Amino acid sequence: KAGVTQTPRYLIKTRGQQVTLSCSPISGHRSVSWYQQTPGQGLQFLFEYFSETQRNKGNFPGRFSGRQFSNSRSEMNVSTLELGDSALYLCASSLAAGAGGEQFFGPGTRLTVL
Amino acid sequence: AQSVTQLGSHVSVSEGALVLLRCNYSSSVPPYLFWYVQYPNQGLQLLLKYTSAATLVKGINGFEAEFKKSETSFHLTKPSAHMSDAAEYFCAVSDRAGNTDKLIFGTGTRLQVFP
Repeated sequence: KAGVTQTPRYLIKTRGQQVTLSCSPISGHRSVSWYQQTPGQGLQFLFEYFSETQRNKGNFPGRFSGRQFSNSRSEMNVSTLELGDSALYLCASSLAAGAGGEQFFGPGTRLTVL
Repeated sequence: AQSVTQLGSHVSVSEGALVLLRCNYSSSVPPYLFWYVQYPNQGLQLLLKYTSAATLVKGINGFEAEFKKSETSFHLTKPSAHMSDAAEYFCAVSDRAGNTDKLIFGTGTRLQVFP
């Protein structure tokens, strides 16, 4: 069974631009969660989508948004990029909603904002 | 709200030595606890999880962790380190308070294994 895939793997943008990251979950998984990983703040939860609905949201500004499609694929969008948005963005999928079960992580998208 | 503290951002051991990575949690409800490992340029992989069944949890790659409620700890151990264990390890607790239901990660411990 194929694992979680994220595209692109690397991305370079400039301040003020917007970016869209994509995540394809493991087949059959309906929950997709997004995390931001930085050296200073560590791993922080962004949001979770389940059956095309945002189920939970972390403490990030409204510039960070996401959506999930009927095939469970998810996209994350960051508008008006800031230097501090440079990070590894990880997506994780799981069979059920919530944080009680095993989440399978993708390799991440490394975003650099110049 | 739940939180996780990992003591020691870096741990170094010799190959064959005991690995001990420390994790303490704070939780107002019975927690789910996890250990994940991250190899360079990769995502996170689940090593093991505690979900209120047995207090000693065995995971992959020879790792295990013991849930100690009295000490609010969930330390990760491996009897004999291997070079391939060098990676970053994250302890996490599921925050189910108030139905927010998300994973809260510790700051990570980088394990170095010397020959």
